Amino acid sequence: DTAVSQTPKYLVTQMGNDKSIKCEQNLGHDTMYWYKQDSKKFLKIMFSYNNKELIINETVPNRFSPKSPDKAHLNLHINSLELGDSAVYFCASSQDQANTGELFFGEGSRLTVL
Amino acid sequence: SQQGEEDPQALSIQEGENATMNCSYKTSINNLQWYRQNSGRGLVHLILIRSNEREKHSGRLRVTLDTSKKSSSLLITASRAADTASYFCAISGNTPLVFGKGTRLSVIA
Repeated sequence: DTAVSQTPKYLVTQMGNDKSIKCEQNLGHDTMYWYKQDSKKFLKIMFSYNNKELIINETVPNRFSPKSPDKAHLNLHINSLELGDSAVYFCASSQDQANTGELFFGEGSRLTVL
Repeated sequence: SQQGEEDPQALSIQEGENATMNCSYKTSINNLQWYRQNSGRGLVHLILIRSNEREKHSGRLRVTLDTSKKSSSLLITASRAADTASYFCAISGNTPLVFGKGTRLSVIA
Protein backbone atom coordinates (compact mmCIF):
# COMPACT_ATOMS: atom_id res chain seq x y z
CA ASP A 1 0.00 0.00 0.00
CA THR A 2 1.39 3.38 -1.02
CA ALA A 3 1.39 5.75 1.95
CA VAL A 4 1.40 9.05 0.01
CA SER A 5 0.35 8.87 -3.60
CA GLN A 6 0.36 11.61 -6.20
CA THR A 7 -1.07 11.72 -9.68
CA PRO A 8 -0.03 12.26 -12.35
CA LYS A 9 3.64 11.32 -12.14
CA TYR A 10 4.42 13.24 -15.33
CA LEU A 11 2.65 16.24 -16.78
CA VAL A 12 3.64 18.04 -19.98
CA THR A 13 1.60 21.05 -20.97
CA GLN A 14 1.67 24.37 -22.81
CA MET A 15 2.16 27.78 -21.25
CA GLY A 16 -1.10 29.37 -20.21
CA ASN A 17 -2.90 26.11 -19.48
CA ASP A 18 -4.43 25.13 -16.13
CA LYS A 19 -3.49 21.85 -14.50
CA SER A 20 -4.05 19.95 -11.26
CA ILE A 21 -2.01 17.48 -9.25
CA LYS A 22 -3.75 15.22 -6.77
CA CYS A 23 -2.39 13.84 -3.52
CA GLU A 24 -3.78 11.30 -1.11
CA GLN A 25 -2.34 9.83 2.07
CA ASN A 26 -3.57 6.73 3.87
CA LEU A 27 -1.48 7.21 7.01
CA GLY A 28 -4.17 8.96 9.01
CA HIS A 29 -1.99 12.08 9.30
CA ASP A 30 -3.49 15.45 10.05
CA THR A 31 -0.90 17.59 8.26
CA MET A 32 -0.11 17.68 4.56
CA TYR A 33 2.32 19.74 2.51
CA TRP A 34 3.29 20.70 -0.99
CA TYR A 35 6.98 21.17 -1.78
CA LYS A 36 8.55 22.30 -5.06
CA GLN A 37 11.93 20.92 -6.16
CA ASP A 38 13.69 22.87 -8.87
CA SER A 39 16.25 21.69 -11.40
CA LYS A 40 19.06 22.23 -8.86
CA LYS A 41 17.33 19.88 -6.42
CA PHE A 42 16.43 22.72 -4.04
CA LEU A 43 13.30 21.69 -2.15
CA LYS A 44 11.05 24.55 -1.03
CA ILE A 45 7.86 24.49 1.02
CA MET A 46 4.81 25.91 -0.74
CA PHE A 47 1.84 25.09 1.46
CA SER A 48 1.00 23.34 4.68
CA TYR A 49 -2.46 22.17 5.69
CA ASN A 50 -3.57 20.83 9.04
CA ASN A 51 -6.89 18.99 9.16
CA LYS A 52 -8.09 20.77 5.99
CA GLU A 53 -7.06 24.22 7.22
CA LEU A 54 -4.32 26.25 5.54
CA ILE A 55 -1.45 26.77 7.97
CA ILE A 56 1.43 27.93 5.83
CA ASN A 57 1.36 29.75 2.52
CA GLU A 58 4.84 30.69 1.49
CA THR A 59 5.47 33.35 -1.15
CA VAL A 60 3.79 31.42 -3.90
CA PRO A 61 1.99 33.17 -6.77
CA ASN A 62 -1.78 33.12 -6.35
CA ARG A 63 -1.94 31.12 -9.57
CA PHE A 64 -1.27 28.19 -7.25
CA SER A 65 -4.32 27.16 -5.25
CA PRO A 66 -4.30 24.19 -2.91
CA LYS A 67 -7.54 22.49 -1.99
CA SER A 68 -8.11 20.01 0.80
CA PRO A 69 -11.52 18.31 0.56
CA ASP A 70 -10.67 16.19 3.59
CA LYS A 71 -7.60 15.61 5.72
CA ALA A 72 -6.45 12.69 3.57
CA HIS A 73 -6.33 14.72 0.37
CA LEU A 74 -4.46 17.84 -0.69
CA ASN A 75 -4.70 18.80 -4.32
CA LEU A 76 -2.76 21.51 -6.12
CA HIS A 77 -4.30 23.51 -8.92
CA ILE A 78 -2.15 25.77 -11.06
CA ASN A 79 -3.63 28.41 -13.35
CA SER A 80 -2.00 30.10 -16.32
CA LEU A 81 1.10 27.95 -16.26
CA GLU A 82 4.45 29.63 -16.91
CA LEU A 83 7.81 28.22 -18.01
CA GLY A 84 9.20 28.80 -14.53
CA ASP A 85 6.61 26.49 -13.04
CA SER A 86 8.49 23.53 -14.53
CA ALA A 87 9.68 21.49 -11.54
CA VAL A 88 8.96 18.39 -9.55
CA TYR A 89 6.16 18.88 -7.03
CA PHE A 90 6.14 16.72 -3.95
CA CYS A 91 3.26 16.07 -1.62
CA ALA A 92 4.09 15.04 1.94
CA SER A 93 2.32 14.33 5.18
CA SER A 94 3.19 14.19 8.84
CA GLN A 95 1.46 13.11 12.01
CA ASP A 96 2.81 16.07 13.89
CA GLN A 97 1.41 19.54 13.28
CA ALA A 98 4.12 21.15 15.35
CA ASN A 99 6.69 20.93 12.56
CA THR A 100 8.88 18.51 14.50
CA GLY A 101 8.04 15.13 13.06
CA GLU A 102 9.11 13.02 10.16
CA LEU A 103 7.68 13.74 6.73
CA PHE A 104 6.40 11.05 4.40
CA PHE A 105 6.78 12.01 0.76
CA GLY A 106 5.01 10.98 -2.39
CA GLU A 107 7.00 10.01 -5.47
CA GLY A 108 6.67 13.44 -7.03
CA SER A 109 4.91 14.89 -10.05
CA ARG A 110 7.22 16.21 -12.74
CA LEU A 111 5.63 19.19 -14.46
CA THR A 112 7.08 20.40 -17.76
CA VAL A 113 5.71 23.61 -19.22
CA LEU A 114 6.52 24.18 -22.89
CA SER B 1 17.43 31.73 7.08
CA GLN B 2 16.59 28.41 8.66
CA GLN B 3 17.81 26.45 5.67
CA GLY B 4 20.52 23.87 6.21
CA GLU B 5 23.44 23.75 3.84
CA GLU B 6 25.05 20.45 2.98
CA ASP B 7 28.69 19.99 2.21
CA PRO B 8 30.09 18.69 -0.09
CA GLN B 9 27.65 19.21 -2.96
CA ALA B 10 28.86 15.99 -4.54
CA LEU B 11 30.86 13.04 -3.28
CA SER B 12 32.19 10.04 -5.15
CA ILE B 13 33.64 7.03 -3.31
CA GLN B 14 34.44 3.38 -3.84
CA GLU B 15 32.19 0.67 -2.51
CA GLY B 16 33.21 -0.30 1.01
CA GLU B 17 34.50 3.16 1.91
CA ASN B 18 32.81 5.45 4.40
CA ALA B 19 30.93 8.56 3.26
CA THR B 20 30.62 11.67 5.40
CA MET B 21 28.27 14.52 4.65
CA ASN B 22 27.92 17.70 6.65
CA CYS B 23 25.09 20.12 7.29
CA SER B 24 25.35 23.61 8.73
CA TYR B 25 22.49 25.86 9.79
CA LYS B 26 21.98 29.28 11.32
CA THR B 27 18.96 29.19 13.63
CA SER B 28 17.93 27.33 16.78
CA ILE B 29 16.33 23.98 16.07
CA ASN B 30 13.91 21.47 17.57
CA ASN B 31 15.57 18.65 15.73
CA LEU B 32 17.52 17.92 12.57
CA GLN B 33 16.56 15.21 10.13
CA TRP B 34 18.33 13.47 7.27
CA TYR B 35 16.55 12.27 4.16
CA ARG B 36 17.59 10.29 1.14
CA GLN B 37 16.35 10.74 -2.43
CA ASN B 38 17.02 8.20 -5.14
CA SER B 39 16.97 9.54 -8.67
CA GLY B 40 13.43 10.21 -9.82
CA ARG B 41 11.91 9.24 -6.48
CA GLY B 42 10.53 10.93 -3.39
CA LEU B 43 12.46 11.68 -0.24
CA VAL B 44 12.71 9.00 2.40
CA HIS B 45 13.32 9.76 6.06
CA LEU B 46 16.54 8.24 7.42
CA ILE B 47 17.11 9.52 10.92
CA LEU B 48 16.07 12.28 13.31
CA ILE B 49 18.31 13.74 15.99
CA ARG B 50 16.86 16.02 18.66
CA SER B 51 18.52 19.22 19.75
CA ASN B 52 19.50 17.69 23.11
CA GLU B 53 21.15 14.65 21.50
CA ARG B 54 24.74 14.51 20.29
CA GLU B 55 24.90 11.26 18.40
CA LYS B 56 22.53 8.70 16.98
CA HIS B 57 22.95 5.41 15.13
CA SER B 58 20.73 3.48 12.77
CA GLY B 59 22.28 0.48 11.06
CA ARG B 60 25.19 1.76 8.96
CA LEU B 61 24.19 5.37 9.60
CA ARG B 62 25.70 7.56 12.27
CA VAL B 63 24.53 11.12 12.82
CA THR B 64 26.15 13.69 15.05
CA LEU B 65 24.85 17.07 16.12
CA ASP B 66 26.83 19.97 17.52
CA THR B 67 24.41 22.73 18.45
CA SER B 68 27.23 25.05 19.55
CA LYS B 69 28.65 24.93 16.03
CA LYS B 70 25.21 24.61 14.45
CA SER B 71 26.32 21.63 12.43
CA SER B 72 25.51 17.98 11.87
CA SER B 73 27.20 15.16 10.03
CA LEU B 74 25.89 11.98 8.46
CA LEU B 75 28.30 9.06 8.20
CA ILE B 76 27.47 6.04 6.07
CA THR B 77 29.84 3.19 6.83
CA ALA B 78 30.83 0.40 4.44
CA SER B 79 29.02 2.05 1.57
CA ARG B 80 27.30 0.06 -1.14
CA ALA B 81 26.42 0.91 -4.73
CA ALA B 82 22.78 1.02 -3.61
CA ASP B 83 23.62 3.97 -1.33
CA THR B 84 24.01 6.13 -4.46
CA ALA B 85 21.48 8.92 -3.96
CA SER B 86 21.11 12.53 -2.84
CA TYR B 87 21.10 13.16 0.88
CA PHE B 88 19.35 16.14 2.45
CA CYS B 89 19.41 17.58 5.91
CA ALA B 90 16.20 19.21 7.11
CA ILE B 91 15.87 21.73 9.89
CA SER B 92 12.91 21.55 12.26
CA GLY B 93 12.15 24.85 13.92
CA ASN B 94 9.12 27.12 13.92
CA THR B 95 8.13 26.34 10.34
CA PRO B 96 7.63 23.18 8.29
CA LEU B 97 10.85 21.35 7.59
CA VAL B 98 13.36 23.41 5.62
CA PHE B 99 15.64 21.39 3.39
CA GLY B 100 19.14 22.06 2.18
CA LYS B 101 20.24 21.54 -1.41
CA GLY B 102 21.59 18.10 -0.75
CA THR B 103 24.78 16.11 -1.26
CA ARG B 104 24.89 13.85 -4.30
CA LEU B 105 26.64 10.64 -3.30
CA SER B 106 27.95 8.25 -5.93
CA VAL B 107 29.21 4.88 -4.75
CA ILE B 108 31.23 3.11 -7.40
CA ALA B 109 31.24 -0.68 -7.41
